Amino acid sequence: RKEVEQDPGPFNVPEGATVAFNCTYSNSASQSFFWYRQDCRKEPKLLMSVYSSGNEDGRFTAQLNRASQYISLLIRDSKLSDSATYLCVVNPSTDYKLSFGAGTTVTVRA
Amino acid sequence: NAGVTQTPKFQVLKTGQSMTLQCAQDMNHNSMYWYRQDPGMGLRLIYYSASEGTTDKGEVPNGYNVSRLNKREFSLRLESAAPSQTSVYFCASRESGQSYEQYFGPGTRLTVT
Repeated sequence: RKEVEQDPGPFNVPEGATVAFNCTYSNSASQSFFWYRQDCRKEPKLLMSVYSSGNEDGRFTAQLNRASQYISLLIRDSKLSDSATYLCVVNPSTDYKLSFGAGTTVTVRA
Repeated sequence: NAGVTQTPKFQVLKTGQSMTLQCAQDMNHNSMYWYRQDPGMGLRLIYYSASEGTTDKGEVPNGYNVSRLNKREFSLRLESAAPSQTSVYFCASRESGQSYEQYFGPGTRLTVT
């Protein structure tokens, strides 16, 4: 079983729509969670950390459900520039190595 | 401030050839990482270096070697390239302390024929 699993999508949404997707992780001892963004043929970049209480960063909201071992990302008022692949990232151990999901692709259309 | 740089950007090798992928960071980070990214799979850790002078295997180290030349530079070597090593290779660095954020280079697209 993969450590981090994501629905690959693609999620194809119109501008202004809300889109949400989850990822699941297998190691219940995981402590830290993140969403990275990767544009086509570019390097991944940190979008936001995910905190136990949930957190927002502008139009982006991240939630963590430890009981069910999933993380979610919600994007409100989608922009064309939100088109990207979103990588779910988990730190499954006490060191600083990260486990990456394969990504969820979001395409925002005009 | 260039961040993390990688060379080359693209490379085509024949099976059995060797090459070294170069990575350098100018952020004074202690930890550096090499990943490969294949379609439908997450980034997989090949090797990492927690600090200058140390290197450790990651999830998929077979067929690769690394050198942490100094604090800035971390190179990845393929001694005898195989088609299964066709991939996009990313180098990353992380500052010391409690931060988990990794900063990635632009990647090297490698094709082995």
